[in-house]
Amino acid sequence: AQSVSQHNHHVILSEAASLELGCNYSYGGTVNLFWYVQYPGQHLQLLLKYFSGDPLVKGIKGFEAEFIKSKFSFNLRKPSVQWSDTAEYFCAVNAGYGGSQGNLIFGKGTKLSVKP
Amino acid sequence: DVKVTQSSRYLVKRTGEKVFLECVQDMDHENMFWYRQDPGLGLRLIYFSYDVKMKEKGDIPEGYSVSREKKERFSLILESASTNQTSMYLCASRGPGVEQYFGPGTRLTVT
Repeated sequence: AQSVSQHNHHVILSEAASLELGCNYSYGGTVNLFWYVQYPGQHLQLLLKYFSGDPLVKGIKGFEAEFIKSKFSFNLRKPSVQWSDTAEYFCAVNAGYGGSQGNLIFGKGTKLSVKP
Repeated sequence: DVKVTQSSRYLVKRTGEKVFLECVQDMDHENMFWYRQDPGLGLRLIYFSYDVKMKEKGDIPEGYSVSREKKERFSLILESASTNQTSMYLCASRGPGVEQYFGPGTRLTVT
């Protein structure tokens, strides 16, 4: 069965620090990869996604993620975090489009706290 | 923009009550999902539906059932609520692609 691992449960950074959140998945075939973000009191929203092509994908609010197939990883990065980036971040993977293969498998989430 | 709405943001129920959580999407999506979100556990899939009147169990269906009588509406039912069902419940929908769109969530407390 597919699984998604997020390495850090809670990350605390000061403003302007660089961010990297780890995500590894277990599936040997073609995958689609996502990062979702949940700001305090808000609904889960898509930050960025990877389907194919350039393994470095850019998302909203200055976030980017790099797909490294050999490492089964899809790490999220931001060069300089802001207090408003305080949120919970979820990595998700799916292995196809039809039927249950279209379902997303989520990691357990990483809480990011940014100190002003 | 896709809009997924959930009937309540907060709900408090007593043990043993029957609970209905409603979800509506406005994008004519075929696929709809119910998750529960618990601290440290992430999102876990309860049930999903590919079409009207069709449903499939997810990873944690025990204690829950669902109903999809209309394409835009997907209901989660707790037949007899228990305290271990206190959680945040998230509904999502998906169109022909892979991306899922989430509602704001219902925080259910069972006392």
